Amino acid sequence: DAGITQSPRYKITETGRQVTLMCHQTWSHSYMFWYRQDLGHGLRLIYYSAAADITDKGEVPDGYVVSRSKTENFPLTLESATRSQTSVYFCASSEFGGAGNSNQPQHFGDGTRLSIL
Amino acid sequence: KQEVTQIPAALSVPEGENLVLNCSFTDSAIYNLQWFRQDPGKGLTSLLLIQSSQREQTSGRLNASLDKSSGRSTLYIAASQPGDSATYLCAVRLSAGGTSYGKLTFGQGTILTVHP
Repeated sequence: DAGITQSPRYKITETGRQVTLMCHQTWSHSYMFWYRQDLGHGLRLIYYSAAADITDKGEVPDGYVVSRSKTENFPLTLESATRSQTSVYFCASSEFGGAGNSNQPQHFGDGTRLSIL
Repeated sequence: KQEVTQIPAALSVPEGENLVLNCSFTDSAIYNLQWFRQDPGKGLTSLLLIQSSQREQTSGRLNASLDKSSGRSTLYIAASQPGDSATYLCAVRLSAGGTSYGKLTFGQGTILTVHP
């Protein structure tokens, strides 16, 4: 089925460990996004990508690394996990509508709940 | 910096009632506004997207309006049902172009409970 899938759904790890969260979409959307959702802060953008090999920082990028070697995949890596990175992480994608049709909705995955002990 | 506020933070209503959720934003130079629904433990589902040139959008029992000049949007839910219980979020996208293309700024959501 077409859609956007995130893995794993749940992850528990320890401080200092490297963790990679996976995101895969089957629509061939140009744009992909990583958000984190925390009580009191809502959804905040971490990184986004406009196309393969093009990424840019969002509101809270520190401590995270992304890559996009293929259009359909957009992994998020925590290089050395900290307790403050305990959160629910959402991946999203949207089509690039071009200058005359840029009103494309974002579609979200079901999230990864990450706990760092 | 764009800020998005949703009022109320939580709302509990009996089944069958019509209700309004509010969203306000500080920078009126938006490209579009999107309303989402989030069920517990799930991702966000897009409900309605209103372009900056539009005044409202309708889908079934849902109607979203946009007043860009005053920085406000409302989501109207008619004849509410227990299945409508969820968190509703609004998000604005700034005008197209530059490095901010496609990025959304979210409100913190309204938790809606519809009881039988």
